[in-house]
Amino acid sequence: QVQLHQWGAALLKPSETLSLTCAVYGGSFSGYYWSWIRQPPGKGLEWIGEINHYGSTNYNPSLKSRVTISIDRSNNQFSLNLKSVTAADTAVYYCARPLTVAGNDAFDIWGQGTLVPVSS
Amino acid sequence: DIVMTQSPDSLAVSLGERATINCKSSQSVLYSSNNKNYLAWYQQQPGQPPKLLIYWASTRESGVPDRFSGSGSGTDFTLTISSLQAEDVAVYYCQQYYNTPYTFGQGTKLEIQ
Repeated sequence: QVQLHQWGAALLKPSETLSLTCAVYGGSFSGYYWSWIRQPPGKGLEWIGEINHYGSTNYNPSLKSRVTISIDRSNNQFSLNLKSVTAADTAVYYCARPLTVAGNDAFDIWGQGTLVPVSS
Repeated sequence: DIVMTQSPDSLAVSLGERATINCKSSQSVLYSSNNKNYLAWYQQQPGQPPKLLIYWASTRESGVPDRFSGSGSGTDFTLTISSLQAEDVAVYYCQQYYNTPYTFGQGTKLEIQ
């Protein structure tokens, strides 16, 4: 049974960098595109970006200038960095895995979510 | 970006009755080479991550009760709950995975009438 466990810094101040890591347990790490998705409190879901085992990335153009997703193959982990945060970046951040390695697939495995408030 | 628009924003249905949620995409999410619609439905309960219900517009995820069904093609899709149960109270989202950036509908809040 594949599980995703995520962690990272909690409360941030404006202009700081958000950093989260997601570890993959119990399944294959290679072959998949691993995604980050966020959800502001009481609002909908926004896809941030994805990375595959080889380090190839795709980002949402709305965040591309501030986002970096990286991979640690030796530990089956991938990470999200979002720089220069503002209050608008306050959200629950999820890591997620698609159904298959084919890419362009629905997300069947999700991390538990991490609430990251941004406040001065 | 493909814009996903759900209707209604909220819905109240009596227990045992049918619930229907619609989703419209701003462009077709049907891939002609494999005749598949790149459309998924999720259920999200408070404090939980979304749970995948339906993918390829109409394929039920393993373990999802058969009262949940998906239909539609191209740009217009529907999630139907045939007989509403108390545990179905949640927010439902559609999502296109036809191309990046993957996008979600704004959500439909389903309540008991």
